[in-house]
Amino acid sequence: NAGVTQTPKFQVLKTGQSMTLQCAQDMNHEYMSWYRQDPGMGLRLIHYSVGAGITDQGEVPNGYNVSRSTTEDFPLRLLSAAPSQTSVYFCASSQGLRSPLHFGNGTRLTVT
Amino acid sequence: DQQVKQNSPSLSVQEGRISILNCDYTNSMFDYFLWYKKYPAEGPTFLISISSIKDKNEDGRFTVFLNKSAKHLSLHIVPSQPGDSAVYFCAASANDMRFGAGTRLTVKP
Repeated sequence: NAGVTQTPKFQVLKTGQSMTLQCAQDMNHEYMSWYRQDPGMGLRLIHYSVGAGITDQGEVPNGYNVSRSTTEDFPLRLLSAAPSQTSVYFCASSQGLRSPLHFGNGTRLTVT
Repeated sequence: DQQVKQNSPSLSVQEGRISILNCDYTNSMFDYFLWYKKYPAEGPTFLISISSIKDKNEDGRFTVFLNKSAKHLSLHIVPSQPGDSAVYFCAASANDMRFGAGTRLTVKP
């Protein structure tokens, strides 16, 4: 049972490049979300989805896009990477907002 | 603004003693609270949770206390073990789930 799978594990981008961070879960969870972890800031919510076709913004959505075409997948798109987006990104899923989140192992992104 | 706050970046305790990690929140709409544990290079893993209708929840060595009037929750670990050394995040849920900045716990043998 894979749980939440994130790819890639590491990525280096130049300023202005775009990329997609992939996230897939095999637990049939309706709720999925993206967080970024920065030193001293904890985990900050970027975007979340309560089901296929439904997405909403979190605390720090600027510079990121998401879509949810299937229950399993929730990709995060960086439109034009900036050094401020250097961070560790975590995808998570759960049965709902009153259930614990299951996290992937993260993607470490560096923007130069 | 940070709706969930962990004001202690770090805590060091001796093996066998009690570890107490604290968390404060500002949003009165939060009705479900959780603690997660995180090791380096891994995602956070769920530890224990509490609903706003309760004031205490216990699971083995871990107990979470909720004081709604003070908008405060705490995690007690008794007895603390070296394997408990990790970063602990407090989280709270309403329309989405928000996290604190984390507290790094070090348990010394």
